[in-house]
Amino acid sequence: EDQVTQSPEALRLQEGESSSLNCSYTVSGLRGLFWYRQDPGKGPEFLFTLYSAGEEKEKERLKATLTKKESFLHITAPKPEDSATYLCAVQVNSGNTPLVFGKGTRLSVIA
Amino acid sequence: NAGVTQTPKFQVLKTGQSMTLQCAQDMNHNSMYWYRQDPGMGLRLIYYSASEGTTDKGEVPNGYNVSRLNKREFSLRLESAAPSQTSVYFCAEWGAWGWNTGELFFGEGSRLTVL
Repeated sequence: EDQVTQSPEALRLQEGESSSLNCSYTVSGLRGLFWYRQDPGKGPEFLFTLYSAGEEKEKERLKATLTKKESFLHITAPKPEDSATYLCAVQVNSGNTPLVFGKGTRLSVIA
Repeated sequence: NAGVTQTPKFQVLKTGQSMTLQCAQDMNHNSMYWYRQDPGMGLRLIYYSASEGTTDKGEVPNGYNVSRLNKREFSLRLESAAPSQTSVYFCAEWGAWGWNTGELFFGEGSRLTVL
């Protein structure tokens, strides 16, 4: 059974305090690993897709990396507007196979 | 999320009542999905439709039915609502950028309470 585990469940940072969120996965035939951001009362919004070990992608203060067993979402010098729940998901086999999501990490950045 | 429209946004039902959640997409994509999101449980797949005319069960299909009415619309029906179906429901569609790549676009969610 495909499994995705995110840690920590919740993270509280001071503004400017860099940190990382973890997503570990156990799947057969990873096709892609996805990161989403979700604000309260909203639907998830796409951030990144990573396809192979060693791949990295960046967007503003966020950088996602991928190994054969886990992915990290690094947040550099976060701001209060980065507060959200960050979701990790995996896709196996083909291009439109349903994503399997982790439970998310709830990030709070305090000014 | 402008491409995926869900209705209603909020609904309160009594146990045993039925209702249909509607989802429509305007991006002409083939694959559509229904997820539910509960505190501490993350997003779990209920049903999906890889293309018009096909539907498949996901992780938590019991108590639900779906209809892929046409390429644009994918509805989720609760025939006899139970308190355990209190949740936030998200419709999503798969938008392909190219061969075997893409992303999942989500609607804003439908918040259902069953009393």
